[in-house]
This record gives sequence, C-alpha cells and structure tokens, in this order.
Amino acid sequence: VEVVESGGGLVQPGGSLRLSCAVSGFTFSDDFIDWVRQAPGKGLEWVARSRNRTKGYSTEYAASVRGRFTISRDESKNLVFLQMNALKTDDTAVYYCIRDYFKSDIYFIGNWGQGTLVTVSS
Amino acid sequence: DIQMTQSPSSLSASVGDRVTITCRASQGISNFLSWFQQKPGKAPKSLIYGASTLHTGVPSRFSGGGSGTDFILTISSLQPEDSATYYCQQYGGYPLTFGQGTKVEIK
Repeated sequence: VEVVESGGGLVQPGGSLRLSCAVSGFTFSDDFIDWVRQAPGKGLEWVARSRNRTKGYSTEYAASVRGRFTISRDESKNLVFLQMNALKTDDTAVYYCIRDYFKSDIYFIGNWGQGTLVTVSS
Repeated sequence: DIQMTQSPSSLSASVGDRVTITCRASQGISNFLSWFQQKPGKAPKSLIYGASTLHTGVPSRFSGGGSGTDFILTISSLQPEDSATYYCQQYGGYPLTFGQGTKVEIK
C-alpha cells in the first residue's frame, strides 16, 4: 500500500491550490480517504473525507474548510484531489493523505502519506 | 464536536520505564479511538485502532485500553526509538478530532 501526495507550494492569500494523492496497492474504489493537516509546530487537524464508491464517494469536511475545500477522486487514475480555494494564512500546513481501514463496520485512519507542504503567504 | 484531551502534555522517562498516556473524550465514543506516533519531521504512524488493537508490525510493548470516554496508551518498557509525540483520535463522529499530543522524551 502506497500513498503519495504532491502539489504543495507557496500561494498568496486568497489564491487556490490543488493537492493530489496517488494511491496504489489496494482497491481504490473500496476505501475511504482522508486529508489531515498539521500547521508548523502544531498538532493534527482532520480536514476532509471521501467515502467509497458504495457510498457514492460522498464527502465530509471540517468546519474550518467547508465551502472552500473540495475533495474528489479520479477513479481511472487512482487519484484523490484536494482543491483548496480562498486560501488563508491559517491554512499553512503539511497536508497528509490517508487511506482508511475498515473493521467492525467502521472506517478509521490507516496508511499515511509522507505529506506535502502548503504555505500561504504574501 | 467531540473534544479529545490528553495528559500529560509531555513526559520524560528512562529506558525500561513503564509509560502511560491518558486520553479523555468529551462524550462517549465506544471504542472508536486510535493512537498515532509521530517523530520529528516525519508523517504520523498508526499504532492502535479500536482502542486496543495494534496495527500490524507495532511492537507488543505498546498497548491500549479503555472505552466510552477514558482511554489509555501504555508503553510497557520504554525504548530509545519511542521518543516521539503521541496523539489520540476519535472516529465515533464528525468532525474526526485529535488530542493535542503528548511528547515523550528519554532521560
């Protein structure tokens, strides 16, 4: 199982950025995927979730990003995206893509990618 | 939102010591609780899910317990490579939430 993020970089406040997450080694359409971020020197904050195909790839968001961030998938390429719009300086963080596991009728965080750094600054 | 509170925020212990970290949820979450280990500059690593089940490859000196609102992570015999920050996280409801972390240092 491999999870690899890309797309991070420097962006100005109010700008947009799209992160990508390449996943391999498991059945992409069967699993839930999360994004979690970590601001410099701070703790972990869950950002968004994409459920699996059975659940219609439905989504959940943290209140801090709802309406600005969108999680989506390209099933043909085994890619997950995090489209980030109207970025704020508070969005500066390392963003981790995570493949969830399923046990006892519930999904939970499993494999973490290495993370990609997003810096929002003028 | 379900608030997760860890204690202590940091601790220092000697190699071979038994170390305990507690995590309290602001409301009952059954056993929907995970623990993660993060070393400086690295991605977190999943240690425990379901409050007490170790992920594959996690050393048996790590153990977890608890249910409802009170949970515990124990390292039975602290090793130098266990120096890290540990986070609990609940997945019983949205938003998923993490504790603030416990930094474990080796004396």
